[in-house]
Amino acid sequence: AQSVTQLGSHVSVSEGALVLLRCNYSSSVPPYLFWYVQYPNQGLQLLLKYTSAATLVKGINGFEAEFKKSETSFHLTKPSAHMSDAAEYFCAVSEGGFGNEKLTFGTGTRLTIIP
Amino acid sequence: EAGVAQSPRYKIIEKRQSVAFWCNPISGHATLYWYQQILGQGPKLLIQFQNNGVVDDSQLPKDRFSAERLKGVDSTLKIQPAKLEDSAVYLCASSLKGGIQAFFGQGTRLTVV
Repeated sequence: AQSVTQLGSHVSVSEGALVLLRCNYSSSVPPYLFWYVQYPNQGLQLLLKYTSAATLVKGINGFEAEFKKSETSFHLTKPSAHMSDAAEYFCAVSEGGFGNEKLTFGTGTRLTIIP
Repeated sequence: EAGVAQSPRYKIIEKRQSVAFWCNPISGHATLYWYQQILGQGPKLLIQFQNNGVVDDSQLPKDRFSAERLKGVDSTLKIQPAKLEDSAVYLCASSLKGGIQAFFGQGTRLTVV
């Protein structure tokens, strides 16, 4: 069984400061890992994904995440926060393979940017 | 490329009524998912289709929820009768066969009063 834990349901950072959103996963097989962003009243938009290639993954809007197998972590970072980054962020895991493509999501982290 | 289309965007019904949601996936995507997102929680898979066949419906409350994808393209999700705890956003997503990236629609926000 796979699971995701997101530490911190709410994170506030000042505009221009580092963004760090934490995600730890559990999976019985090498996982595929994802970060999605959700703006109010919108669906989920993929920020980036890890698919067993490079451990440092770069995504859209200046975000990146590093897969650390030893720590079972996939934390999301952005060097300098922008007001437009305010949203809900979800980490998700998939085991891949036919019939196992489903995503298991964490409970989300709401990011607030302080002007 | 058109995205995943869902309708309606919003729906308010009374408990014990029935409701249906519609989803049209991205053209060519064989796999279709329905997720339920309760306020304050991450999305939870309800059902996964591969073409018109069900791959996983282990978390679908089958006493009140049903879903179909008869022609392997668009899909409907129905709730009958609705309960207060069914208030949530229902997200449809699609992917290529065997694809690991799912594309999500904007969702249908259901409020049961």
